[in-house]
Amino acid sequence: EPEVTQTPSHQVTQMGQEVILRCVPISNHLYFYWYRQILGQKVEFLVSFYNNEISEKSEIFDDQFSVERPDGSNFTLKIRSTKLEDSAMYFCASSYNYEQYFGPGTRLTVT
Amino acid sequence: AQSVTQLDSQVPVFEEAPVELRCNYSSSVSVYLFWYVQYPNQGLQLLLKYLSGSTLVESINGFEAEFNKSQTSFHLRKPSVHISDTAEYFCAVSDGGRTGGFKTIFGAGTRLFVKA
Repeated sequence: EPEVTQTPSHQVTQMGQEVILRCVPISNHLYFYWYRQILGQKVEFLVSFYNNEISEKSEIFDDQFSVERPDGSNFTLKIRSTKLEDSAMYFCASSYNYEQYFGPGTRLTVT
Repeated sequence: AQSVTQLDSQVPVFEEAPVELRCNYSSSVSVYLFWYVQYPNQGLQLLLKYLSGSTLVESINGFEAEFNKSQTSFHLRKPSVHISDTAEYFCAVSDGGRTGGFKTIFGAGTRLFVKA
């Protein structure tokens, strides 16, 4: 069964550094998403991406965040200058329609 | 705006007992409703979904949920739980792609703890 993959599984970075989280969505999917889950809290929507542009973003997704689909397979989330409060699990998801398939997540730790 | 309320943050229950995890949602448009399960240190797995049609939906491992439009609820039930059902359960709602995507809003989660 096809699945969404994410790399790395765990990323440790220092405050102020840039990080790129990578995702490979399911190949025939059209919509791509990033969500985050701060430890012990609920899953929060960050951004959706369709037809090579952002279709919707949340208040969390400020100028420090950007997304890109640099080729036909990868979907990346970049955080330009990480803050301590960016420490969370980041989930990528993709969908062909309403049913989203989630990746296993990348745990980002900002020290 | 859509929102999801999960009324119980934790539900302890004995093995083989029935359980109900409550979920209420609010939305001004037609919605798709989901339950996801998250085992410790793992990602999100879709447990079941309501899109249209029959208001009672079932999963392969014995869970079921009933969509109640008048009460805007989508409670999750299982008649007999196992130790292995211990996990975090998230209720979620999607607005069906009006904005070029199917943004999903999650509830705060309910931790189901099954005791022997």
